[in-house]
Amino acid sequence: GQNIDQPTEMTATEGAIVQINCTYQTSGFNGLFWYQQHAGEAPTFLSYNVLDGLEEKGRFSSFLSRSKGYSYLLLKELQMKDSASYLCAAMDSNYQLIWGAGTKLIIKP
Amino acid sequence: IAGITQAPTSQILAAGRRMTLRCTQDMRHNAMYWYRQDLGLGLRLIHYSNTAGTTGKGEVPDGYSVSRANTDDFPLTLASAVPSQTSVYFCASSGTSENNEQFFGPGTRLTVL
Repeated sequence: GQNIDQPTEMTATEGAIVQINCTYQTSGFNGLFWYQQHAGEAPTFLSYNVLDGLEEKGRFSSFLSRSKGYSYLLLKELQMKDSASYLCAAMDSNYQLIWGAGTKLIIKP
Repeated sequence: IAGITQAPTSQILAAGRRMTLRCTQDMRHNAMYWYRQDLGLGLRLIHYSNTAGTTGKGEVPDGYSVSRANTDDFPLTLASAVPSQTSVYFCASSGTSENNEQFFGPGTRLTVL
């Protein structure tokens, strides 16, 4: 079957760095997405990886290892506004997204 | 309008009633999707449409139907609502089904009593 695993909740301190891990199993693979979702709002796109390696975009970076079925999202210089849920999603061979349940990130001052 | 809109924002519905959730995008995206989001679960695909005139079933299609008469609109209908359909419903669109990014509407919070 198809499955996405990510931690339910993480806590970090303002100004610090946090890494949110995601492992996936899908029928075929066409890329790994990360989305941010603030409470009560819609998900918004953060990153897309289809090749192995690290993609950096400002304070956020995303890594993919296709052979390990593994990705992580790295958030640097954490700000209070980064408190949100982070959703990992893998695109399968039918170009449909399989979503994880999300990681709720709590930032403490 | 800019982007993707949904209506209503929220709705309380009696079981057995028919309900249509509306979704409109003005980005001329070919692909559109309906998801439901429940606490502790990931977004689950209900139905999708890769282009106007075509639709497909997602992971949890039972009890729901969709139509795609034109590029902009993708309504979701619950023919006879049941309490298990209480959820937050998100509509999304992307340029193509293979396109990288899906854009989401603000969501409809539906409660079925």
